[in-house]
Amino acid sequence: KNQVEQSPQSLIILEGKNCTLQCNYTVSPFSNLRWYKQDTGRGPVSLTIMTFSENTKSNGRYTATLDADTKQSSLHITASQLSDSASYICVVSAIYDYKLSFGAGTTVTVRA
Amino acid sequence: KAGVTQTPRYLIKTRGQQVTLSCSPISGHRSVSWYQQTPGQGLQFLFEYFSETQRNKGNFPGRFSGRQFSNSRSEMNVSTLELGDSALYLCASSRGQGAPYEQYFGPGTRLTVT
Repeated sequence: KNQVEQSPQSLIILEGKNCTLQCNYTVSPFSNLRWYKQDTGRGPVSLTIMTFSENTKSNGRYTATLDADTKQSSLHITASQLSDSASYICVVSAIYDYKLSFGAGTTVTVRA
Repeated sequence: KAGVTQTPRYLIKTRGQQVTLSCSPISGHRSVSWYQQTPGQGLQFLFEYFSETQRNKGNFPGRFSGRQFSNSRSEMNVSTLELGDSALYLCASSRGQGAPYEQYFGPGTRLTVT
């Protein structure tokens, strides 16, 4: 069964600090991995999408890494801002499988 | 380019009633997927429609159904509502069918069943 595990479940950081979120998956054969940001009460918004051959991808202060060998991904937030407070969801897809596998998300709270 | 729109944004229904939610995809997108999101379960896939046909279905009871029209707009229906159906229902549109294509989510419909 394809699974996606995210950690931590939640975290609190001070404004201006960095943080890293983790995503481990068992989806196989791997097609791509996406990170979404979801603000409270809103739909998820795509941050990055990475295929097998990509190790790192950045979107502003967000940097995602992928290790397809160990089936791990991380999302690094640099110089956090209050607007980064949201849930971050890792989504993985398999080749030849039209369904997406969703992680439960990590809730990030940035405090002034 | 307009994003995915969902109506209504908020809905309160009574147990046993039925409800219909609507989703208008981004222009040019032919696939619409529906998801249920609850605090304890996260995002769960309901079904995907492409070219007016249901292509994939998640593990939900038959009370959950949907359809897609020729203009790609989609509706989701839940009959005989239960308290556990209270959730944020999200739809997402994409150019093509399934996982290879980027999905764009709407703002969701918050359904409360009392």
